[in-house]
Amino acid sequence: SQQGEEDPQALSIQEGENATMNCSYKTSINNLQWYRQNSGRGLVHLILIRSNEREKHSGRLRVTLDTSKKSSSLLITASRAADTASYFCATFGNEKLTFGTGTRLTIIP
Amino acid sequence: DAGVIQSPRHEVTEMGQEVTLRCKPISGHNSLFWYRQTMMRGLELLIYFNNNVPIDDSGMPEDRFSAKMPNASFSTLKIQPSEPRDSAVYFCASSPDLGGYTFGSGTRLTVV
Repeated sequence: SQQGEEDPQALSIQEGENATMNCSYKTSINNLQWYRQNSGRGLVHLILIRSNEREKHSGRLRVTLDTSKKSSSLLITASRAADTASYFCATFGNEKLTFGTGTRLTIIP
Repeated sequence: DAGVIQSPRHEVTEMGQEVTLRCKPISGHNSLFWYRQTMMRGLELLIYFNNNVPIDDSGMPEDRFSAKMPNASFSTLKIQPSEPRDSAVYFCASSPDLGGYTFGSGTRLTVV
């Protein structure tokens, strides 16, 4: 069963713009992670935020976590064509990682 | 570090045949996970191991599916007999405790 729901399901933006994806989940978590998946490939871990953290940065990525609202957001700044991929949030709880439905991001050159 | 290695990359088999998927996790990672990805159901956790011991297999669809981890460097997922609805991409991932997962490239299974 899927824990997280990403919003939007699909997003198309111009290269150079910022992309924001949201994730909502249902149960308590230990941490929340974001992954990227290029077409036909495996998932690549991007960033992990712990339940006691509110914001985390990694390069052009910024993740926020609001445990009171059970939601997280992933911001990609200054998007590039190479950022085109599907992005998944995943919640870690009860010793296992459960993935959301994903957001398909398309960067238009 | 070669990452998580899965084989085969692609498998096409006839309904009723046995299928075995293989995975070599990253050395030192003590948790191993098998996921299945389909368009309809997304990414589903099938089973995971911790220190070679199966911890939770509640995601295994039915008795036709079985998984083993005989040692820290090898795991298999077997489907016997296979059915067309088993067609999917099967991913193996490994992780240190509470860390991010490293995924393999997946095995695309087609059952005809």
